[in-house]
Amino acid sequence: KAGVTQTPRYLIKTRGQQVTLSCSPISGHRSVSWYQQTPGQGLQFLFEYFSETQRNKGNFPGRFSGRQFSNSRSEMNVSTLELGDSALYLCATASAANTEAFFGQGTRLTVV
Amino acid sequence: TQLLEQSPQFLSIQEGENLTVYCNSSSVFSSLQWYRQEPGEGPVLLVTVVTGGEVKKLKRLTFQFGDARKDSSLHITAAQPGDTGLYLCAGVYNQGGKLIFGQGTELSVKP
Repeated sequence: KAGVTQTPRYLIKTRGQQVTLSCSPISGHRSVSWYQQTPGQGLQFLFEYFSETQRNKGNFPGRFSGRQFSNSRSEMNVSTLELGDSALYLCATASAANTEAFFGQGTRLTVV
Repeated sequence: TQLLEQSPQFLSIQEGENLTVYCNSSSVFSSLQWYRQEPGEGPVLLVTVVTGGEVKKLKRLTFQFGDARKDSSLHITAAQPGDTGLYLCAGVYNQGGKLIFGQGTELSVKP
């Protein structure tokens, strides 16, 4: 059974640009959550999608958005990048039946 | 605001020593999870505790959920270098899919 796949693994962007990150869940998992991990703030919840609908949202500005497709794959987008957006972005997926999350390896985003 | 305070933030010990990591909150959780994360990887789930007072063991790791379901602890017996990593606790609320993480405990076990 394949794990959670996040692409790309590494990304370098310039301030003001926008970026799209992708997450392919474990087969059968319909819940996809996104987290931002930084040394200062730790792991912070961005949002969660379930069956193509945003079910939960964290306290991040509107520059952070996401979507989920009918095959449960999810993308998150960050517009007008700021230096402070440099972080490891993690995707976690779960089945509908429980909340035990399985994480991908993350996308390391560096904004210069 | 839902907060989880995890302590200590850093722990450096010798192989064979015991240690305890604490996770505390003023909020009640439906369950609490413990994860371990290694550099360059995502967190990996170790255990989920659901019932107040519950104790779960995973080899040399013992996890406890407080009676009021507001706090938890992770105890490692006879730590080994392979235990080195970032340990994270995460509170689960009745909202599906949303985890509130503690700041993490960076554990280093020296041979």
